[in-house]
Amino acid sequence: NAGVTQTPKFRILKIGQSMTLQCTQDMNHNYMYWYRQDPGMGLKLIYYSVGAGITDKGEVPNGYNVSRSTTEDFPLRLELAAPSQTSVYFCASFRRGASYNEQFFGPGTRLTVL
Amino acid sequence: TQLLEQSPQFLSIQEGENLTVYCNSSSVFSSLQWYRQEPGEGPVLLVTVVTGGEVKKLKRLTFQFGDARKDSSLHITAAQPGDTGLYLCAGLQTGANNLFFGTGTRLTVIP
Repeated sequence: NAGVTQTPKFRILKIGQSMTLQCTQDMNHNYMYWYRQDPGMGLKLIYYSVGAGITDKGEVPNGYNVSRSTTEDFPLRLELAAPSQTSVYFCASFRRGASYNEQFFGPGTRLTVL
Repeated sequence: TQLLEQSPQFLSIQEGENLTVYCNSSSVFSSLQWYRQEPGEGPVLLVTVVTGGEVKKLKRLTFQFGDARKDSSLHITAAQPGDTGLYLCAGLQTGANNLFFGTGTRLTVIP
């Protein structure tokens, strides 16, 4: 299993540009998440999905959009990039069970908006 | 407001020393997890605790879940440079669809 994969690893955007961060998991998990992590800080939840066709806002959704057309893919869209969106973005999937829960993270996408 | 507060935020110690990291909340969680994140990588699960008062050991790491399931601690014995990283606690509330992550503790173990 590849687990959770993210592309690209690094990206520099100009203010106002748009881009899509890709996320794919091959573990057949229903739950998927997007977080951002600012330097030296913890994780903030942007959006999440509990299954194909279902998405919901997290703590910091403004400036972002998501879609979930398949179980495997959960892309994150930035429409009008702003310097405040400079961060490292992590995608994660969640194996959720009655007695065991684990969140699996991708390697992250480091985004800089200039 | 942050649901889970971790302390200390930063910790720098010498190799061989012991340390404890705390994760506190005013809310009850059905389970609580600890993750470690190394530079340039995503967090990786260390342990999950689900019962109030539960203690789990992972080699030199000891994790405890508070009796009321509102707090947790991570104790490292004889810290090694390989323990360096960002430690994150994360709680799952009953009926919730997402984990709430703590503010993080950045540990540096100096050789």
